[in-house]
Amino acid sequence: RKEVEQDPGPFNVPEGATVAFNCTYSNSASQSFFWYRQDCRKEPKLLMSVYSSGNEDGRFTAQLNRASQYISLLIRDSKLSDSATYLCVVHGGSYQLTFGKGTKLSVIP
Amino acid sequence: DAGVIQSPRHEVTEMGQEVTLRCKPISGHDYLFWYRQTMMRGLELLIYFNNNVPIDDSGMPEDRFSAKMPNASFSTLKIQPSEPRDSAVYFCASSLGGSYNEQFFGPGTRLTVL
Repeated sequence: RKEVEQDPGPFNVPEGATVAFNCTYSNSASQSFFWYRQDCRKEPKLLMSVYSSGNEDGRFTAQLNRASQYISLLIRDSKLSDSATYLCVVHGGSYQLTFGKGTKLSVIP
Repeated sequence: DAGVIQSPRHEVTEMGQEVTLRCKPISGHDYLFWYRQTMMRGLELLIYFNNNVPIDDSGMPEDRFSAKMPNASFSTLKIQPSEPRDSAVYFCASSLGGSYNEQFFGPGTRLTVL
């Protein structure tokens, strides 16, 4: 099993739609979780951290399920500007982050 | 405020040549990370430094790769000799207090080895 797995997509959704991404991780000792966003030919940037109780930032909601070892990201009311690749990131216990390969989202007018 | 600075932004070289990538982290950050991104393998950590000291270089693919951080404001990643399979985007990132905190990435160096 790969350390961090994501559906590569692409997810093509119309403006205003709700879209959800899932990510699974293999290291049950993982302590911290993040979603990064990467625009085409740009660097990754932190979108949000993922807390055990779940957290929300505007239209974005992140959830963590430790028992099943998966993380989710929900985007409501999709905007054209949300088009990007979303990277699931897991902190494995050392000072290292393991990145998933990303899920590509295209929001269509 | 200046973010992480990388140079060059693009590098095209021939197989066998030496390549040096440069990074200036955000001032005050004590961790520096070098990553490589390819379509096949995604984003992979190569090496990271804490207070200029290399902590874990287990991600460095082979002896052709080396990295240094002579001071808190400068790091290099060197490939000698370069091979076509080294073609990738190389990112440098820095953070304050380790990877539990946000990592700030530079714009990357797009390396093509012919």
